Amino acid sequence: GENVEQHPSTLSVQEGDSAVIKCTYSDSASNYFPWYKQELGKRPQLIIDIRSNVGEKKDQRIAVTLNKTAKHFSLHITETQPEDSAVYFCAANQLGGAQKLVFGQGTRLTINP
Amino acid sequence: EAEVAQSPRYKITEKSQAVAFWCDPISGHATLYWYRQILGQGPELLVQFQDESVVDDSQLPKDRFSAERLKGVDSTLKIQPAELGDSAMYLCASSPTGGLREQYFGPGTRLTVT
Repeated sequence: GENVEQHPSTLSVQEGDSAVIKCTYSDSASNYFPWYKQELGKRPQLIIDIRSNVGEKKDQRIAVTLNKTAKHFSLHITETQPEDSAVYFCAANQLGGAQKLVFGQGTRLTINP
Repeated sequence: EAEVAQSPRYKITEKSQAVAFWCDPISGHATLYWYRQILGQGPELLVQFQDESVVDDSQLPKDRFSAERLKGVDSTLKIQPAELGDSAMYLCASSPTGGLREQYFGPGTRLTVT
């Protein structure tokens, strides 16, 4: 089945700087890669997703890039703000039968003022 | 804005006791998921329903865990007997039918087994 590895496990950046979180996946058939943000004590929420037919997607300060050949995808947050502090999870879909998401281990991002 | 509801939010139970969690998905969402999230890790899928049918329960410890969604709407996840290692956050999520769609998560139930 699919295996998703996420790095780093913790990331601390200065407010205004950029943050990058990277994930690798094992199943070359995976074609859907969402990113979820989980603030302390709150539910995970989708912030951006990308499908395998595109290499990059942007939404204001957030972007995701996908390299299908290398089987990795990354989340880029520019001009970071204190409210970006949270745990971020990447995921990849596992095909075959019922499609399901396999999540990475999470990255705790801290934005320092 | 519609949200996934879960109850209880917190549950403390002794090992060997039975415990149950309830989830009410967003209205009209045919797909419902139960995840277990151990502290410091990502959510792990336990069971996935399409309407009232289980479509994936490969990671559900069936000797002690059971799940049902009798009318294809709300769902219950049960653990009997609970073990110390079951302490975790149990998240429910739902999504519309078809394709690769966003999963909407509930607030979760934090279970502590003593």
